[in-house]
Order: sequence, then structure tokens, then C-alpha cells
Amino acid sequence: NAGVTQTPKFRVLKTGQSMTLLCAQDMNHEYMYWYRQDPGMGLRLIHYSVGEGTTAKGEVPDGYNVSRLKKQNFLLGLESAAPSQTSVYFCASSSNQPQHFGDGTRLSIL
Amino acid sequence: GENVEQHPSTLSVQEGDSAVIKCTYSDSASNYFPWYKQELGKGPQLIIDIRSNVGEKKDQRIAVTLNKTAKHFSLHITETQPEDSAVYFCAASENNLFFGTGTRLTVIP
Repeated sequence: NAGVTQTPKFRVLKTGQSMTLLCAQDMNHEYMYWYRQDPGMGLRLIHYSVGEGTTAKGEVPDGYNVSRLKKQNFLLGLESAAPSQTSVYFCASSSNQPQHFGDGTRLSIL
Repeated sequence: GENVEQHPSTLSVQEGDSAVIKCTYSDSASNYFPWYKQELGKGPQLIIDIRSNVGEKKDQRIAVTLNKTAKHFSLHITETQPEDSAVYFCAASENNLFFGTGTRLTVIP
């Protein structure tokens, strides 16, 4: 049982490039979440989904888009990466609570 | 929105001693309070949680207390071991989770 799997684990981008982060869960959870973690700031919610085909904005949604075409997958997109988006990105899933986290994607934007 | 404050930011204890981490929250509607442990290069892992209808919960060496009136909750780790060294996060939730800024716990052998 893999739990929550995030790909890629590391990525370096240039300013203005685009990319998609993939999150997959095998626990049949309805809810999925994307967070970013920055030094000294804890985890902040970017976007979340309460079910297949639904998405909603979290605390810091600007510059990101998401899609939940399949129940088990939640994609986070950066259309035009900016240095301020350098961070560690975590995906989580849940039935209600608690949330189960993946091991993160470390993204650097130069 | 919810604001969660966590103290201290760093904590060093001798092996076998107790460690206490404290959090306060601002939204009285919050009703779920998890604690996560994060090891280097890993995602947060739930270690204990408490709901607002309970004042205290214990799981072996780990306990959490909640004071709804004062809007604060605390994590207590007894008989600390070197493998307890990690970053600990508190969070508060009515619907979505709001996290504290973390406490780096170091257990000195």
C-alpha cells in the first residue's frame, strides 16, 4: 500500500517555465490537498478538492491551478513559474480527518 | 481565517526528560486539532489528534491537552528518546487545516 505518492521528487525550473506536479493516492479518499512549505511558515494550503471533478482555492492559490479528473489523482500546475514559488510542495488526502501526506516535491525556480 | 501560533520554535531536552510544545488558535469554530511529526526529507506524519469534545488524549508516551476556553492545546512527550528528534507541527481545523510554524525538537543522548 503506497499511500500518497508525489512525482517528481525534485525539479529545477527557470523563471517563466511551466510544469505539473502529480499526486496519486491509493486509499480511495474523497478529499485531496496541495500545500506549500516554506522555512519558518509551516504548511499553507494552496488548493483542495472534495471529490472527483471539483476544486477549490485555499489560503495561497495565486499562480497555481489544479485538476482532479480522476478520484485518485490531483495535479498542481504552475503556468509561468516565479522565484517566489520556490518551495517544498506536499500533497495530502483524507476521508475526512486525518490527512495523510506524501513525501513532497522540492521545487527550485531560478 | 484561522491563525495558529506555536511555541517554542526550537527545543532541546536530555534523553528521558519530557518535552512540551504549545499552540494557540484564534477561531473558536475550530474543532479538530492534530499534531504531526516531520522527519528530514519526509512528509508530515500524524502522531496524535484531538477533537473539541475531549479535553485530553494519550497514546503511550504522547499526550495532547485542549483548553477550548483559552483556545490553546499542547503536546506532551514523556521519556523522550533520540528517535523523537524531528520537527513537530500543530494544526487547527473546522474544515481545512491551518498549521503552526513548527518546533524543532532535539533529544540529546
